[in-house]
Order: sequence, then structure tokens, then C-alpha cells
Amino acid sequence: EPEVTQTPSHQVTQMGQEVILRCVPISNHLYFYWYRQILGQKVEFLVSFYNNEISEKSEIFDDQFSVERPDGSNFTLKIRSTKLEDSAMYFCASSLLAGGETQYFGPGTRLLVL
Amino acid sequence: AQSVTQPDIHITVSEGASLELRCNYSYGATPYLFWYVQSPGQGLQLLLKYFSGDTLVQGIKGFEAEFKRSQSSFNLRKPSVHWSDAAEYFCAVGARGSTLGRLYFGRGTQLTVWP
Repeated sequence: EPEVTQTPSHQVTQMGQEVILRCVPISNHLYFYWYRQILGQKVEFLVSFYNNEISEKSEIFDDQFSVERPDGSNFTLKIRSTKLEDSAMYFCASSLLAGGETQYFGPGTRLLVL
Repeated sequence: AQSVTQPDIHITVSEGASLELRCNYSYGATPYLFWYVQSPGQGLQLLLKYFSGDTLVQGIKGFEAEFKRSQSSFNLRKPSVHWSDAAEYFCAVGARGSTLGRLYFGRGTQLTVWP
């Protein structure tokens, strides 16, 4: 069964450093998403991406964040200058369509900013 | 504003007992509703979803959920819990008719199963 994969599973970084989180969505899916979950809090939507551009972003997704689909298979989330409060589990998801279509989630990347 | 409330942070049940996990939502119209489960080290796996039609929805692993519009609820149930059901359960809502696909999640309910 096809699945969404994410690398790395864990990342530790120093405050102010750039990090890139990588995701490989399911191959025939068209919509891609990033969510995050700060420990003990809700899973929060960050951004959705379709047809090589951002279709929606939340208030969390400020100028420090960017997304890219560099090669037709990977989908990346970049945090330019990490802050302590960026420590969270980051989930990538993909779906064939939007508007209620099932989103398939990866296992997540645990990011710790020191 | 859209929101999802899961009032129980942690539930403990004995193996073989019945289970009900609560979910209430706030939404401007009839939403799409989902239950996801997360086992340690795993991603979020879809258990079931409600789009329209029959308000009692069957999912994988013997789970079911009932959409009650009057109560804005979508509670998850299982008649007999197995030890392997121990995990974290998330309720989520999505926008009907939206082309954007954003999901709003509840805080999650951690289920512990006693042998």
C-alpha cells in the first residue's frame, strides 16, 4: 500500500539555524499539506500546496516558512531561522483531491530547537 | 470559527470493554468529519470519515462513529476494545465544498487499554 514518508524522523538544531524537512507524498496525489503538533497541543494546519503553488496558509506560516516541490516527488518545508517555539512534530500529508478527500499522513518529523 | 473539541484527554478501559470517544465541532455548515488514530512512531491513520448520507459510519478495526447534527457531535465507538487499540485518537473537520482541503483537529484522546 502506498504511503507518505518523511525524513528525518528526528532533528535537533540550534536556534537561528535553517532546517529542511522532507516528505515524499503518494505518487499520484495532487494536494500536499504540512501540519504541526506542539507537544500537548492540537495538530495545526500550516499550509496546503497544489499545482506548484501555495493554495492556503495559516497564520502560523509566516515569512520564516517556505515550501517547495523541487523535483516532482519530494515536498519540503523549510524553516529559515528556527525559534524555540518551532519545536514540534511536523506532519506531511497528501490527497488525490481536496474538499474532504482523505488526507494520508506521514509518520512525522520531531524537531527540537535548542 | 471552526473548532473541534475532544473533551477527554486520556481514557483508560479494560480489554473487552466498550469504548466511546467524544468529539464536538463548531462549524458554519455541515462539515466533513474524520477520525484518525496515531500509534507510537506512526503517522495518522484514517479510521473512518463522514461525508453525507447514513449518519452511522463504519470504519476499520471495528470502529464506528455517529454524526449527530443536533448535537454537533461525531463520537467514535467500539463495542469491544482490544489491547492493540491503545493509541491516540484525533477527530478532525474539513470544509464541505472547499477546494482547499484544510483540516481542523481536536487535541486528541489518549487511550490506554488494561489487560
